Amino acid sequence: KAGVTQTPRYLIKTRGQQVTLSCSPISGHRSVSWYQQTPGQGLQFLFEYFSETQRNKGNFPGRFSGRQFSNSRSEMNVSTLELGDSALYLCASSLESGRGYTFGSGTRLTVV
Amino acid sequence: SQELEQSPQSLIVQEGKNLTINCTSSKTLYGLYWYKQKYGEGLIFLMMLQKGGEEKSHEKITAKLDEKKQQSSLHITASQPSHAGIYLCGADRDSGYALNFGKGTSLLVTP
Repeated sequence: KAGVTQTPRYLIKTRGQQVTLSCSPISGHRSVSWYQQTPGQGLQFLFEYFSETQRNKGNFPGRFSGRQFSNSRSEMNVSTLELGDSALYLCASSLESGRGYTFGSGTRLTVV
Repeated sequence: SQELEQSPQSLIVQEGKNLTINCTSSKTLYGLYWYKQKYGEGLIFLMMLQKGGEEKSHEKITAKLDEKKQQSSLHITASQPSHAGIYLCGADRDSGYALNFGKGTSLLVTP
């Protein structure tokens, strides 16, 4: 079966702009979680959605937001981009039980 | 919140040598995941350990969970260039539904 699909793979944005990233989970997976990976901080949890509801949120500013659609696809949005937002953004999907997280290939965001 | 500390941070080994990566948790471990990542790419699931004393193997990679020490170890036997990458340990967040991760161990295997 198809894996977790993230689009786009690469993105270059200017400071102050906003960006939207997309994540399509494995068919049947209803939980989608998002992570930010940087060389300094490593992999950090952003938020998690299940059945269109945010169940869990990490320690990130309100500029980072997300949503989930009825087909379980999820998007995350970052507004007023800062240079420090440059990172690899990964999403993972899992079954309802929350076990067995499968990751996508990530979106590499560069803010200039 | 739970913190996961991995050691070593980086490792260079000669092809054919064995190696061990450790992951130590600041809290009791109920479930521990190991992933591998090629630079700039997504995480590839290796294995998950749920019970103290549990040991799992996949090809030449073996992972163990020591509940008392709140530690897991990943052992690679007869390393190959294909084993190169970043190894990450993850554990369930207190609030569930997602993972906390260690900073990773970068492995380079030389000919």
